[in-house]
Amino acid sequence: EIVLTQSPGTLSLSPGERATLSCRASQTVNSHNLVWYQQKPGQTPRVLIHATSSRATGIPDRFSGSGSGTDFTLTISRLEPEDFAVYYCHQFGGSSHTFGQGTKVETK
Amino acid sequence: QVQLVQSGAEVKKPGTSVKASCKASGYTFTTYNIHWVRQAPGQGLEWVGIISPVNGVTLYAPKFQGRVTVTSDTSTNSVYMELGSLTSDDTAFYYCAREFPGSIYLDSWGQGTLVAVSS
Repeated sequence: EIVLTQSPGTLSLSPGERATLSCRASQTVNSHNLVWYQQKPGQTPRVLIHATSSRATGIPDRFSGSGSGTDFTLTISRLEPEDFAVYYCHQFGGSSHTFGQGTKVETK
Repeated sequence: QVQLVQSGAEVKKPGTSVKASCKASGYTFTTYNIHWVRQAPGQGLEWVGIISPVNGVTLYAPKFQGRVTVTSDTSTNSVYMELGSLTSDDTAFYYCAREFPGSIYLDSWGQGTLVAVSS
């Protein structure tokens, strides 16, 4: 089973700042099979990025994804108030899906 | 519109089993795989398993192998997840979610079924 480790655990930033979230895999992940979600309190996750770098329908272009192999990144270019939430990466490989433990982006 | 409607909350004793349901509507049921993902209160997401409703093929997370069974019923457009040998560590919201074809991302989620395990 591929383990995904997200860092940092918590990111304290102000609106307008840039957020860089990391997702590191214990083995190589097929770039087609790497997804990012956003989850707000009391809500189910919402897909932001699929196939490492493709924005899902309706997702603003301030969200971008990159990476390959074992290192993947979600970048929010300028934080809006509604972006403060928890972010998860998700992969499929080695005959199993796994999620990272999440990164909380909080207001500084 | 796409809807995944899950069964209501359950309170279970340790050592027993729980069976949660997920009824799909608003799309062709057999076209989309369905995942089960759980989330303990205040914790992260944990993948449980997946089923392809068109043929019933399943895949489970190694952690749950042997005590989880996911089934589907194409006559009612429903998916079921049964988890046995419950412990307090299984207390969580259990979500069903639809997988977008040709990808792995989950584009629609049920509202969640809270399973509380307590003696």
